[in-house]
Amino acid sequence: SQQGEEDPQALSIQEGENATMNCSYKTSINNLQWYRQNSGRGLVHLILIRSNEREKHSGRLRVTLDTSKKSSSLLITASRAADTASYFCATAPYGNKLVFGAGTILRVKS
Amino acid sequence: DAGVTQSPTHLIKTRGQQVTLRCSPKSGHDTVSWYQQALGQGPQFIFQYYEEEERQRGNFPDRFSGHQFPNYSSELNVNALLLGDSALYLCASSFGGQGGRETQYFGPGTRLLVL
Repeated sequence: SQQGEEDPQALSIQEGENATMNCSYKTSINNLQWYRQNSGRGLVHLILIRSNEREKHSGRLRVTLDTSKKSSSLLITASRAADTASYFCATAPYGNKLVFGAGTILRVKS
Repeated sequence: DAGVTQSPTHLIKTRGQQVTLRCSPKSGHDTVSWYQQALGQGPQFIFQYYEEEERQRGNFPDRFSGHQFPNYSSELNVNALLLGDSALYLCASSFGGQGGRETQYFGPGTRLLVL
């Protein structure tokens, strides 16, 4: 079963624009993580935000977490062609296993 | 600092065969988790190994089994392969049995095709 659901399923933008992806989840969480995957290869960890945090930044990435709405958003500013990838949110609601959503496919056109 | 490594990168098997996938965790890590990712889907948790024991298991049949060695590397075995087992198999490492409660580091994956 999927805990996180990303929205939109796919996003296409021009280089330099901002990209926003949303994630909703169902149960209470300890933290929420965002991962990137290029062309069906391994996942790269982007950022982890804990349940007592509301916003976190890492370079061009900004993540927000609203535990009252059980939702998170990932903002990529000034996007580049190299940001083209699939983005997944993941939580660990049941012990130590990560539960992923189906992901958002981001395409950045140059 | 070596990251997570997996072997082989690609594998083709036929239905009914058995397969073994291998994973070496990131240096300093002692916990290995395995995930299956079907095309167009997010990864699904198979199981986690810590201190050479299976600590948690996802909703996968007994055909999926694993092992962790004293050097923390791990194997995933799948018996009686089905067409539906075709997927990218990902290994993730972490420290101290934390698993999803902390950042996990993923390997490049093994792409398995079952014909």
